[in-house]
Amino acid sequence: GAGVSQSPSNKVTEKGKDVELRCDPISGHTALYWYRQSLGQGLEFLIYFQGNSAPDKSGLPSDRFSAERTGGSVSTLTIQRTQQEDSAVYLCASSLREDTGRAFFGQGTRLTVV
Amino acid sequence: QKEVEQNSGPLSVPEGAIASLNCTYSDRGSQSFFWYRQYSGKSPELIMFIYSNGDKEDGRFTAQLNKASQYVSLLIRDSQPSDSATYLCAVTSYDKVIFGPGTSLSVIP
Repeated sequence: GAGVSQSPSNKVTEKGKDVELRCDPISGHTALYWYRQSLGQGLEFLIYFQGNSAPDKSGLPSDRFSAERTGGSVSTLTIQRTQQEDSAVYLCASSLREDTGRAFFGQGTRLTVV
Repeated sequence: QKEVEQNSGPLSVPEGAIASLNCTYSDRGSQSFFWYRQYSGKSPELIMFIYSNGDKEDGRFTAQLNKASQYVSLLIRDSQPSDSATYLCAVTSYDKVIFGPGTSLSVIP
């Protein structure tokens, strides 16, 4: 597809379980961002990739959160031992390195921890 | 000081009026400035960008940039109920885009 693809669209998990969220960016986009958005709130920055490197991980809320990117393409955000406060929409965006402000967002993954 | 700041709103304007959305940023080295629109339950989408001081017009939208004051604004003329959304200001800094918290706009019919 031509856009940013995220999977799954919705995920319901039990507290304490691990979850993996996937982002497939637009082909050729070297910059990739993960954000979290709670209901009615703004974008909470989590992590930024340039290629496979993560120059800025400052937004990851705790060591239960990790992310990786392989082949300069697909990225996976992993949340271990999920808590109810992790419930939110997780958004991924990608952009060209030379035009990093023109970010294209995926449709998001709605995570519900019960 | 937060890197990109916006009034959270909500900003309410009557249909047909001009909506004015404001944004300030902290990094004087920022070169590129963007406005995104996010409808409720949807992902943000880019609607305007501006790189040089002054005004840039696109239809009913005008972006204004003043680098000396570190200030960016978005004017929406002839506001329509369909413009009701959250508007996010974004700034590039050190090869990365930084988003503001967004301003919620409500256009009242």
